[in-house]
Amino acid sequence: QVQLVQSGGGVVQPGRSLRLSCAASGFIFPNYGMHWVRQAPGKGLEWVAILWPDGSQEYYADSVKGRFTISRDNSKNTLFLQIDGLIVEDTAVYYCARNSGNYLNFDYWGQGTLVTVSS
Amino acid sequence: QSVLTQPPSVSAAPGQKVTISCSGSRFNFGNNPVSWYQHLPGAAPKVVIYDNDKRPSGIPDRFSGSQSGTSATLGITGLQTGDEADYYCGIWDGSLSTGILGGGTKLTVL
Repeated sequence: QVQLVQSGGGVVQPGRSLRLSCAASGFIFPNYGMHWVRQAPGKGLEWVAILWPDGSQEYYADSVKGRFTISRDNSKNTLFLQIDGLIVEDTAVYYCARNSGNYLNFDYWGQGTLVTVSS
Repeated sequence: QSVLTQPPSVSAAPGQKVTISCSGSRFNFGNNPVSWYQHLPGAAPKVVIYDNDKRPSGIPDRFSGSQSGTSATLGITGLQTGDEADYYCGIWDGSLSTGILGGGTKLTVL
């Protein structure tokens, strides 16, 4: 069965860095685009980033551009999100999600990992 | 404010029907279909409709999707208390190369 298992969240001071991981299993990982989506406390879901199946293209929300880097290791079936220069507004539950088909369709999600930015 | 507009909340009684709208004046949903997500507290979101009107396996046929031009609608019939959740529409904006999610609609089953 398809599984996305996340790790790497925690409490981090402003300005520091953090890397989130999303380990995939149960499907051919290199065949799928992958996203990160987040939800700040009391707010709605916010799309963060996408990475093409082969890693050739990556796109970001304006709110994270320049500070976040999405990457993947297709040999290890793992997606990453590198977050640099953390700010309080990055406090959120972060989800990885698989995209299926030619349009936006998050058909499987990770369990979510909480990132808290606080001094 | 999201470029996909949803009502903040809707409510209906158990057994009744509810619809949730999603409008985006920049998009033609016929050419660029929308997906819908159910988000229960403490759980990961789940897709309930994709490509405007397709239901993933395991989603009951009480859930339906439709679109007309720049507006899409999620319908839920035979409401159950377990349907209480936040619902989001989503689309890929090819011109900006970004994913876009609506602001979310809180469904209350009275």
